[in-house]
Amino acid sequence: DIQMTQSPSSLSASVGDRVTITCQASQDISNYLNWYQQKPGKAPKLLIYDASNLETGVPSRFSGSGSGTDFTFTISSLQPEDIATYYCQQYDNLPAGLTFGGGTKVEIK
Amino acid sequence: EVQLVESGGVVVQPGGSLRLSCAASGFTFDDYAMHWVRQAPGKGLEWVSLISWDGGSTYYADSVKGRFTISRDNSKNSLYLQMNSLRAEDTALYYCAKGAGAEGNWFDPWGQGTLVTVSS
Repeated sequence: DIQMTQSPSSLSASVGDRVTITCQASQDISNYLNWYQQKPGKAPKLLIYDASNLETGVPSRFSGSGSGTDFTFTISSLQPEDIATYYCQQYDNLPAGLTFGGGTKVEIK
Repeated sequence: EVQLVESGGVVVQPGGSLRLSCAASGFTFDDYAMHWVRQAPGKGLEWVSLISWDGGSTYYADSVKGRFTISRDNSKNSLYLQMNSLRAEDTALYYCAKGAGAEGNWFDPWGQGTLVTVSS
């Protein structure tokens, strides 16, 4: 199975800061990587698909990049409403499975 | 507007069985693959199972293979998860999600979840 290693597991930043989260796959997954946001007590929401494509309606301060095994998710200017846990998810290897990273909890300093 | 409403979560004893349901609306249900994804209390997300648009193909996480069965009834716009031989580690909030992307291999949107607790 493909393992997804996400880091850091948590971070604290100030409003307006640039925030970066990384996700590393245990093998090459091309660009088959998505990012989700889960606010406290809510269901997850798709933000970015195919590593770098912004889902419709998602603010442009969110972005993603990478291919192969190394991926990055960035919030260019952290806002109070961005407090959430963010997850990466690979979809390269059905039927073996669709796997998530462990999540990154983002808090305001 | 796409809506996914899960139901069926309860407290069940280890070794017991349970069937979860997900009622879908706001889209052409039989055009899309569907998923179950779970989240143990305070933990991360774990994909559980996928069913193709016509029910002809199903996939499972190793952790539930042989114990859980995914199915759908396109005439009722409904998705199901039959859960047998339940274990304490199956305790989680179970989300249904609409498959997205060319192969339906990602999740958009998600329902609000139904809580399954496996405990004696």
